[in-house]
Amino acid sequence: DIQMTQSPSTLSASVGDRVTITCRASQTITISLAWFQQKPGKAPKLLIYKASSLHSGVPLRFSGSGSGTEFTLTISSLQPDDFATYYCQQYNTYPYTFGQGTKLEIK
Amino acid sequence: QVTLKESGPVLVKPTETLTLTCTVSGFSLSNPTMGVSWIRQPPGKALEWLGHIFSNDRVSYSRSLRSRLTISKDTSKSQVVLTMTVMDPVDTATYYCARGMTDYGMDVWGQGTTVTVSS
Repeated sequence: DIQMTQSPSTLSASVGDRVTITCRASQTITISLAWFQQKPGKAPKLLIYKASSLHSGVPLRFSGSGSGTEFTLTISSLQPDDFATYYCQQYNTYPYTFGQGTKLEIK
Repeated sequence: QVTLKESGPVLVKPTETLTLTCTVSGFSLSNPTMGVSWIRQPPGKALEWLGHIFSNDRVSYSRSLRSRLTISKDTSKSQVVLTMTVMDPVDTATYYCARGMTDYGMDVWGQGTTVTVSS
């Protein structure tokens, strides 16, 4: 199975900060990578697909980049609504796999 | 509007078989560019992908759970069914279904259903 490793596991930041979360795949997944946002008690929401394409309705402050094995999710200016847990997920090869998650906390 | 909704028991006993249903609307399970995945999340833990059923009824499963899982669908009822045998307390989790689209991944998720395994 392809292992997805996210870093950091926890990130403390303030409103207005620019933050970046990294996701590494154990083998190449081309650009078949998605990013999800999850809030407590809620289902995950798709933010980014194909590594850098913004899902409909997602604010422009979210962006994704990368290909192959290294990927990043960047939030350009944190808003109060952005404090949540973020997951990357590869859909290049079955079985699909998720990263372990990055919890974004208020500093 | 695309929606998915999971349904099934809240509580199952150890060794029993779990059966969950995902009822979809706003798209057809016969659409060749779409399928449905099942994902679970134990309390306080990460998401775990369980399996995916394609429009042609082909299924891909998690390697670690393959022997215990069956995913099937009834296109006429717009339903996808997950069965998991020999349930154990470690299987306690919120179970989600999600639409999977070619090139887009899982774009719409159900609200999830919480299953507790306890005697």
